Amino acid sequence: AQSVTQPDIHITVSEGASLELRCNYSYGATPYLFWYVQSPGQGLQLLLKYFSGDTLVQGIKGFEAEFKRSQSSFNLRKPSVHWSDAAEYFCAVGAPNQGGKLIFGQGTELSVKP
Amino acid sequence: DGGITQSPKYLFRKEGQNVTLSCEQNLNHDAMYWYRQDPGQGLRLIYYSQIVNDFQKGDIAEGYSVSREKKESFPLTVTSAQKNPTAFYLCASSYRGGTEAFFGQGTRLTVV
Repeated sequence: AQSVTQPDIHITVSEGASLELRCNYSYGATPYLFWYVQSPGQGLQLLLKYFSGDTLVQGIKGFEAEFKRSQSSFNLRKPSVHWSDAAEYFCAVGAPNQGGKLIFGQGTELSVKP
Repeated sequence: DGGITQSPKYLFRKEGQNVTLSCEQNLNHDAMYWYRQDPGQGLRLIYYSQIVNDFQKGDIAEGYSVSREKKESFPLTVTSAQKNPTAFYLCASSYRGGTEAFFGQGTRLTVV
């Protein structure tokens, strides 16, 4: 069955510290992979996406993610977290050319300590 | 500005009443989607539509209905058959065969 797992429900990091959010997927074919961010009571904003090619992808707001096929992972990273990064982060997987028909992980809530 | 508009932002209804959530987009996207979000469960697909006058059930379609009479609009009706309708509902759109979805700001439905 197709699924996405985000093992960490809640993570707290200090401002200026590095961040890594984990995402593992189970998908029969080559997946399209996405990370979205959601502020409380808001919609989702796309941070970055991976379709093919270079396995390290750069996104907005200084985020990057690395696709590791052997580990079925697509972890999100940021070298230095800002207080404004506090939000909920969702990893999602989709099929090629399926647009918004996505399978989402449960989400990871990020808190940032001053 | 192009985007997806969901209205209203907050909606309260009594148990047993049907309620319709609005979703309009001016991105000229062919495909539109409805997701339901519950705490700790991520987003789950309710219905989607790739073209006008056609739509398909997602993973949790029971108790919901949709229509797609216009390219720009994809309203979702939460019927009285939906056992636990209180949730945050998100609408999204994409180009048909596209690779990226754009989301609205959501409607929080509370049924009392």
